[in-house]
Amino acid sequence: GAGVSQSPSNKVTEKGKDVELRCDPISGHTALYWYRQSLGQGLEFLIYFQGNSAPDKSGLPSDRFSAERTGGSVSTLTIQRTQQEDSAVYLCASSLSAVSNNSPLHFGNGTRLTVT
Amino acid sequence: DAKTTQPPSMDCAEGRAANLPCNHSTISGNEYVYWYRQIHSQGPQYIIHGLKNNETNEMASLIITEDRKSSTLILPHATLRDTAVYYCIVRAGGTSYGKLTFGQGTILTVHP
Repeated sequence: GAGVSQSPSNKVTEKGKDVELRCDPISGHTALYWYRQSLGQGLEFLIYFQGNSAPDKSGLPSDRFSAERTGGSVSTLTIQRTQQEDSAVYLCASSLSAVSNNSPLHFGNGTRLTVT
Repeated sequence: DAKTTQPPSMDCAEGRAANLPCNHSTISGNEYVYWYRQIHSQGPQYIIHGLKNNETNEMASLIITEDRKSSTLILPHATLRDTAVYYCIVRAGGTSYGKLTFGQGTILTVHP
């Protein structure tokens, strides 16, 4: 079946502009996660959703970052007034449930964001 | 989350078994061991996970020691396409189950 889909796959934006990154989870998965990976760095947790609510937003690096999820499906990560340090690959994952640690996350291939 | 320790790199000959070790000496009773891998320019790929019993699926086997302080991921017949960074992760229960902590992983190179 279809995996996690992210769009766009690549995004180049100018410093100061806003960007929206989209994630379509696997059908039936109630939990959705956002991570980012900077060049040569490990994966950094940003936020996760169970349904439409976000129990843990602790990884969002600043108030320029926000995310929402509607209808328990698609999620959008928005970065306002982008800075060069926001350049990274933004990865989305989904799992059947986030109320158990026995439910694997399945990742998309990410959106590569470059801020010039 | 419990911290994991993995060797930074390993080599394996094509067709041979690749055995990737992971230490997680501070693991708690309700924490699962997960393995993911990441090939350049792709998102992490789920491989296998387990709590205390050994697990096997179509990709790999996971051997967890009886005291759960370490585990080994086994790729039974490594191919060139198995060259990747392999991450061992201990996933907490409770309110932290949404947050996986990825370390630096093991770079596995499979050579002809």
